[in-house]
Amino acid sequence: KAGVTQTPRYLIKTRGQQVTLSCSPISGHRSVSWYQQTPGQGLQFLFEYFSETQRNKGNFPGRFSGRQFSNSRSEMNVSTLELGDSALYLCASSAGQGAGEKLFFGSGTQLSVL
Amino acid sequence: QKEVEQNSGPLSVPEGAIASLNCTYSDRVSQSFFWYRQYSGKSPELIMSIYSNGDKEDGRFTAQLNKASQYVSLLIRDSQPSDSATYLCAVNTPSGGYNKLIFGAGTRLAVHP
Repeated sequence: KAGVTQTPRYLIKTRGQQVTLSCSPISGHRSVSWYQQTPGQGLQFLFEYFSETQRNKGNFPGRFSGRQFSNSRSEMNVSTLELGDSALYLCASSAGQGAGEKLFFGSGTQLSVL
Repeated sequence: QKEVEQNSGPLSVPEGAIASLNCTYSDRVSQSFFWYRQYSGKSPELIMSIYSNGDKEDGRFTAQLNKASQYVSLLIRDSQPSDSATYLCAVNTPSGGYNKLIFGAGTRLAVHP
């Protein structure tokens, strides 16, 4: 079974631009969660999607948004980029059947904002 | 107070020793607890999960959970240099019954020969 696939692997953007990141979950998994990882803050929860619906959201500004498609693939969008958005963005998938499930992570997208 | 707290380390132990990693969490109703290992430049990988009070052993790893004290720990016996990584404690925080896994900032473990 293929793992969680994230594209692109690296991105360089400038302040004010927007960016879209993509995540393809493990086949059969319907839940996709997104995390931001920075050296100072660790892994911070962004949001979780299941069957095209956002079920949970973390404490990030509205510039961060996401969506999920009918094939469970998910995209995350960040508008009006700021320097502080430079981070590793990780997505993780699971079957989505409830609390207690294990998450499987992709390799991440390293975003640098200049 | 952070929802999940870990000592950032680094925790330095000699090869063959026991490494003890600790984690506390704030939400009393949390039910599921996980330890992930993250090597530098790689994504987190699950190494242990624990749902009930007590100990759970898997090879050289033992997870311990004390819900009354809101405390989770990971013991690594016979530590090897290949265990050098950041260990992330993750707690499933109830939110409508669905997955909202909250991570600690991680503890960096260095095993020296």
